[in-house]
Amino acid sequence: EIVLTQSPGTLSLSPGERATLSCRASQSVSSSYLAWYQQKPGQAPRLLIYGASSRATGIPDRFSGSGSGTDFTLTISRLEPEDFAVYYCQQYGSSQYTFGQGTKLEIK
Amino acid sequence: EVQLVESGGGLVQPGGSLRLSCAASGFTFSSYWMSWVRQAPGKGLEWVANIKQDGSEKYYVDSVKGRFTISRDNAKNSLYLQMNSLRAEDTAVYYCAREANVYYYYYMDVWGKGTTVTVSS
Repeated sequence: EIVLTQSPGTLSLSPGERATLSCRASQSVSSSYLAWYQQKPGQAPRLLIYGASSRATGIPDRFSGSGSGTDFTLTISRLEPEDFAVYYCQQYGSSQYTFGQGTKLEIK
Repeated sequence: EVQLVESGGGLVQPGGSLRLSCAASGFTFSSYWMSWVRQAPGKGLEWVANIKQDGSEKYYVDSVKGRFTISRDNAKNSLYLQMNSLRAEDTAVYYCAREANVYYYYYMDVWGKGTTVTVSS
């Protein structure tokens, strides 16, 4: 089973700053199998990025994904107040999905 | 509008059973793999199970194998999760999610709002 480890656990930043979230896999992951989600309190997760770097429909271009192999990154170029939430990476392998434990992005 | 609406959650005693339902609308349900994903209180996301378009393939996370059964009724645009031998650690919000219908890409692009399952005596 591939384990995804996200860092940091909590990231404290101010609106307008740049956020860089990391997702590291215990084994190599196909980029096609790597996605990122945003979840706000009391809400369902929302797809942000699929295929490691493709933005989902309606996602602002301040969100970008990159990486390959075992290291993937979600970058938010200029934080807006609505971006403060929990972010999860997800991978698919051996007929199963696994998620990282999440990074909480909080207002500093 | 593409929509998934879960129902069937509630309070159940350890060892009991519950059946969750997910009603799909706004898209061709029979063309998509579907998944259940859960989230324990204050915890992260955990994929539970998924099912192929025609129901011929089903996969489960190890912790629910032999206890949970995923199924679907394409005529009713509905997804189900039969949960037996429930344990306290099954307490969670259960989300129904549509898997992407793009060859060689694996992700979930539509999510329901979830239904809460509480296992407690």
